[in-house]
Amino acid sequence: TQLLEQSPQFLSIQEGENLTVYCNSSSVFSSLQWYRQEPGEGPVLLVTVVTGGEVKKLKRLTFQFGDARKDSSLHITAAQPGDTGLYLCAGEGGNTPLVFGKGTRLSVIA
Amino acid sequence: NAGVTQTPKFQVLKTGQSMTLQCAQDMNHNSMYWYRQDPGMGLRLIYYSASEGTTDKGEVPNGYNVSRLNKREFSLRLESAAPSQTSVYFCASSLHRGVDEKLFFGSGTQLSVL
Repeated sequence: TQLLEQSPQFLSIQEGENLTVYCNSSSVFSSLQWYRQEPGEGPVLLVTVVTGGEVKKLKRLTFQFGDARKDSSLHITAAQPGDTGLYLCAGEGGNTPLVFGKGTRLSVIA
Repeated sequence: NAGVTQTPKFQVLKTGQSMTLQCAQDMNHNSMYWYRQDPGMGLRLIYYSASEGTTDKGEVPNGYNVSRLNKREFSLRLESAAPSQTSVYFCASSLHRGVDEKLFFGSGTQLSVL
């Protein structure tokens, strides 16, 4: 069974601070996705990373896929209250459906 | 742009009652999924349908049944609800399974079993 461990579980920071959340596994994934979920809503896809070492930027969010395709990180620069939410990583391993991590709950305080 | 529509949004059941959660997508997607989300447990896959006419078990299928009624609709049935099935249920769809699989989620059904 492929497992994805996300850390930290909870993160509370002040507006303007930088942060990094991590998604780690002992398994290799074909691709890795990041979703954001706001209260009362379903997760929404932010990005997919496919190639080992790949870096993608989405405004103030930077996503990186590890060289060995076993881990990923999400870095947010100058966090804003609108970044508050649950961040989920999900790994695609071929024939099996996406495997989700348990998420990092981020709270950005104004 | 409806996307993935789930009904109902909220439901309270007594132990032993049955109910069906409905899900429909209007994006002409081939694959559909049912997840449950519990505090500290993340999203766990209950059942999925890779294409019309097929269904497969996910990580936590016990106590549930599914029906892929047609390409648009995928329902989840609880035959005899138990308190352990109290959760938030999400339906999702994707164009296809496998490489570059991108999930689109509904807004969820909050279910309480008393």
